[in-house]
Amino acid sequence: GAVVSQHPSRVICKSGTSVKIECRSLDFQATTMFWYRQFPKKSLMLMATSNEGSKATYEQGVEKDKFLINHASLTLSTLTVTSAHPEDSSFYICSAKRLAGRNEQFFGPGTRLTVL
Amino acid sequence: DAKTTQPNSMESNEEEPVHLPCNHSTISGTDYIHWYRQLPSQGPEYVIHGLTSNVNNRMASLAIAEDRKSSTLILHRATLRDAAVYYCILRDASNFGNEKLTFGTGTRLTIIP
Repeated sequence: GAVVSQHPSRVICKSGTSVKIECRSLDFQATTMFWYRQFPKKSLMLMATSNEGSKATYEQGVEKDKFLINHASLTLSTLTVTSAHPEDSSFYICSAKRLAGRNEQFFGPGTRLTVL
Repeated sequence: DAKTTQPNSMESNEEEPVHLPCNHSTISGTDYIHWYRQLPSQGPEYVIHGLTSNVNNRMASLAIAEDRKSSTLILHRATLRDAAVYYCILRDASNFGNEKLTFGTGTRLTIIP
């Protein structure tokens, strides 16, 4: 099966710092990757769609200057949470869709961000 | 996006079949029915998807009503590892490039040993 990894798996940072989360498709090429956020006991909320070589498409209410997304290659997308605050503490999950065929998305294991 | 309605939670005994229902009365002709599940502290995992006909794979079966307004995910023999939140999601295939998945609240399945 297709494997998607995320790094780091968990991170604790001080308020005001920036945190970068990487999402990699390990054994397939992904033109499109997605970033989700999930608060405790809640469902996943799509933040943005990341397309290789172009600007990300953000969902309504998601600040693009705060959540910087870069999709520089067919196997890597990064999410940078800039000037993080305690309310940004959440479980961040990425998913990737294959370049060709098949309808399913493959999800990473998630990154738990805690902002002190 | 067409919405789905699922029970908040269900329980099932281990080694018995589980039927997880999903209502999607406003489904359009181009909506695929997808099921994903999320184990605790992990990212979601694809389970199965279908359009009109019933589908089977190694994980589960998907039974789709004739009018497509509801579907049922069937786990034939539940194990403790099947305890998860199960999400029923509609994906519009008519808009090429619109690959977004909109997650609802899902059904939290508890397996009783």
